Amino acid sequence: SQQGEEDPQALSIQEGENATMNCSYKTSINNLQWYRQNSGRGLVHLILIRSNEREKHSGRLRVTLDTSKKSSSLLITASRAADTASYFCATDGAAGNKLTFGGGTRVLVKP
Amino acid sequence: DAGVIQSPRHEVTEMGQEVTLRCKPISGHNSLFWYRQTMMRGLELLIYFNNNVPIDDSGMPEDRFSAKMPNASFSTLKIQPSEPRDSAVYFCASTPGGQGWTQPQHFGDGTRLSIL
Repeated sequence: SQQGEEDPQALSIQEGENATMNCSYKTSINNLQWYRQNSGRGLVHLILIRSNEREKHSGRLRVTLDTSKKSSSLLITASRAADTASYFCATDGAAGNKLTFGGGTRVLVKP
Repeated sequence: DAGVIQSPRHEVTEMGQEVTLRCKPISGHNSLFWYRQTMMRGLELLIYFNNNVPIDDSGMPEDRFSAKMPNASFSTLKIQPSEPRDSAVYFCASTPGGQGWTQPQHFGDGTRLSIL
């Protein structure tokens, strides 16, 4: 089974609204990463958060990490149509020297 | 700067044929990863190279799959013979350092492979 599981699987919002998605994982980690994938393209790295960090920001993105609950959240504020994509979390802990990706959250931002 | 370059972008071939996918990592990156993405299984790591040496190939599905990295700027993933269940999008990614799972990975745009 996958180490990271995103929730919800799909999300539809209006432009300007905030989008929040969650990632749960099963074993201890050293770091957790979030990626975006536009249709027909490769994954693009968004944020890396280490296990000793609780929150990181990058532009309109905010990531939190709660290692006690083995969960992370990604918040996109003031969403734009260009944010329409799938978002994946990836963790490094379970399988040693590899990143394990979740199944992703598909976000649709309607103009 | 050029990102990770994969070719071809699309490949359609018949079952039993040999398929070769190619990847050029970002210049100066020491680690290279091959992934496979399907709707059913998501994104799976197939093999990981560091300094052109295969470090972990535990994700390679079976002997029909092989990967090489003859130099720092080129890698291939070969499937021989191909089967319909190999249909997927194959991604290559690279990172600057040795422990690629602790750093952001840079992905190519993938090869969409269809085996008829």
